[in-house]
Amino acid sequence: AQSVAQPEDQVNVAEGNPLTVKCTYSVSGNPYLFWYVQYPNRGLQFLLKYITGDNLVKGSYGFEAEFNKSQTSFHLKKPSALVSDSALYFCAVRDIGSFQKLVFGTGTRLLVSP
Amino acid sequence: GAGVSQSPRYKVAKRGQDVALRCDPISGHVSLFWYQQALGQGPEFLTYFQNEAQLDKSGLPSDRFFAERPEGSVSTLKIQRTQQEDSAVYLCASSLGAGDQQGLGEKLFFGSGTQLSVL
Repeated sequence: AQSVAQPEDQVNVAEGNPLTVKCTYSVSGNPYLFWYVQYPNRGLQFLLKYITGDNLVKGSYGFEAEFNKSQTSFHLKKPSALVSDSALYFCAVRDIGSFQKLVFGTGTRLLVSP
Repeated sequence: GAGVSQSPRYKVAKRGQDVALRCDPISGHVSLFWYQQALGQGPEFLTYFQNEAQLDKSGLPSDRFFAERPEGSVSTLKIQRTQQEDSAVYLCASSLGAGDQQGLGEKLFFGSGTQLSVL
């Protein structure tokens, strides 16, 4: 079965510093990978996706993610963190054999301090 | 509306009660999904509709859970005889296309969810 793992429950970073939120995946075949963000009392919002092509994917709000096939990773990155980036981040993979279903990780809480 | 709307925002039920959760997807969106998010966990798939057809209900935890989308727009998730383990946030999401058949990795638009607490 397809799965993703987010090894960090929480990531702390100071405003202005680069941030990385880690995700590793386990899939059969080519992975379709996604990052979503969840702000308090709001629904999940799509950030970016990797389907094929360039390993560096650019998304919303200045975020980007790097697909690394040899390390089976899809880490989310941003060069300079903002306090407003503080939220819950979820990595997800499309389930094989079911084009509709996404399998989510457990989430990583990002706290950006002023 | 501009986004996916869910109601009620919060629901408290006594164990054994039936509940109904409503989802209004973005107008024109073909696909509709229900996910369950337990505290501290990621969302878990419950069921999928393409228009009015329920094409995948493999994630429904038991036969107490039932979902419908009779006219291909609004959907209702019903839970009968609620149990404490049903306490979670229930998320609805919609997408424009029909099941990502083109392999484009279509993004989902999520509602804010209904937080269900079963006492």
